[in-house]
Amino acid sequence: AQSVTQLDSQVPVFEEAPVELRCNYSSSVSVYLFWYVQYPNQGLQLLLKYLSGSTLVESINGFEAEFNKSQTSFHLRKPSVHISDTAEYFCGHSWGKFQFGAGTQVVVTP
Amino acid sequence: DTGVSQNPRHKITKRGQNVTFRCDPISEHNRLYWYRQTLGQGPEFLTYFQNEAQLEKSRLLSDRFSAERPKGSFSTLEIQRTEQGDSAMYLCASSLDRGNRPQHFGDGTRLSIL
Repeated sequence: AQSVTQLDSQVPVFEEAPVELRCNYSSSVSVYLFWYVQYPNQGLQLLLKYLSGSTLVESINGFEAEFNKSQTSFHLRKPSVHISDTAEYFCGHSWGKFQFGAGTQVVVTP
Repeated sequence: DTGVSQNPRHKITKRGQNVTFRCDPISEHNRLYWYRQTLGQGPEFLTYFQNEAQLEKSRLLSDRFSAERPKGSFSTLEIQRTEQGDSAMYLCASSLDRGNRPQHFGDGTRLSIL
């Protein structure tokens, strides 16, 4: 069965520090991988996605994720976080239908 | 704003009552999805439509749940004889049907069962 694992349920981080959110998927076929962000009391917003091509994908707000086929990972990184990055982040993949990980809560403190 | 719209945002009801939620997708999107999200978990797929056809239903969707999309535009999700375990956020998303297109989510309907 295909699944997505987010290794950290919560990541506390200081403002302007780097952050990495880990995501591993299990699949033996090509996949469509993505990261969504969810702010409190809101729906999910697409942060970035990977289907093919360059293994490093970037979002407009400074996040990037690297697809690593050998390690079946799609970790999300940001070199310097802001208070406004406090949110829950969901990794997921699609092979026919979308499947989400359990989420990683990022708490940015001053 | 022409994003995905869900109504109501919050619903509180007594156990055993029926509830219905509505989702209006982005107008040019012909795929529509329903998810359920409980605290501390990612969204769990419930069902999806391609136009008016319901193409897949999760095993999570018990016989008390029914979803419709009669004209291929808005969709409704009805839960009959609600139970405590139905308390959750119900999310709707829509997308184009060309390949693995990203899904656009509404803000959800939070259901609380008393």
